[in-house]
Amino acid sequence: DVKVTQSSRYLVKRTGEKVFLECVQDMDHENMFWYRQDPGLGLRLIYFSYDVKMKEKGDIPEGYSVSREKKERFSLILESASTNQTSMYLCASSTRPSPLHFGNGTRLTVT
Amino acid sequence: DAKTTQPPSMDCAEGRAANLPCNHSTISGNEYVYWYRQIHSQGPQYIIHGLKNNETNEMASLIITEDRKSSTLILPHATLRDTAVYYCIVRGIYNQGGKLIFGQGTELSVKP
Repeated sequence: DVKVTQSSRYLVKRTGEKVFLECVQDMDHENMFWYRQDPGLGLRLIYFSYDVKMKEKGDIPEGYSVSREKKERFSLILESASTNQTSMYLCASSTRPSPLHFGNGTRLTVT
Repeated sequence: DAKTTQPPSMDCAEGRAANLPCNHSTISGNEYVYWYRQIHSQGPQYIIHGLKNNETNEMASLIITEDRKSSTLILPHATLRDTAVYYCIVRGIYNQGGKLIFGQGTELSVKP
């Protein structure tokens, strides 16, 4: 079974802090994705990566950056956290053309 | 990717089959139908996908109509643990961008 592991289930950070969300997958998938999920807005794609050191902007990249130094790890970085970034963050991975497999999410609260 | 329409909620008795419908009337020839579910406070879980033939795996069956404009996900013997929001998504198989468009889904409540 594919396993996508997100480092934290719950995080509380202060406004202006730099925040790192980590995601690791164990199936050698080339594709990795970061989404956020908010009530009434569904899942929105922030960034994705097709390969090591590659990244592509999704629909809502503003305020975020990503890093993929190793194939199995994809990090989402909030450069200066703001309250409107309070959300559920979901990481996913896939190998083309298979379905996406999601982690259990990180619920981030920015106060 | 084509849009989908699902009923907002459904109930099902434990042990009975749950049949969840989805309309995707604008689906194109190279688009697959995917089903995911999301149990409260967890990430979406992949269930099954298909192109035009019916598909079955250990979790569910997927029935796609001949014109491919609608499909039904069948959970043959629903349990309380199947209570979740079920999402039907249409996606081109070579859609590399990961832009899964999750609609509102169907909230399935399995009752004892």
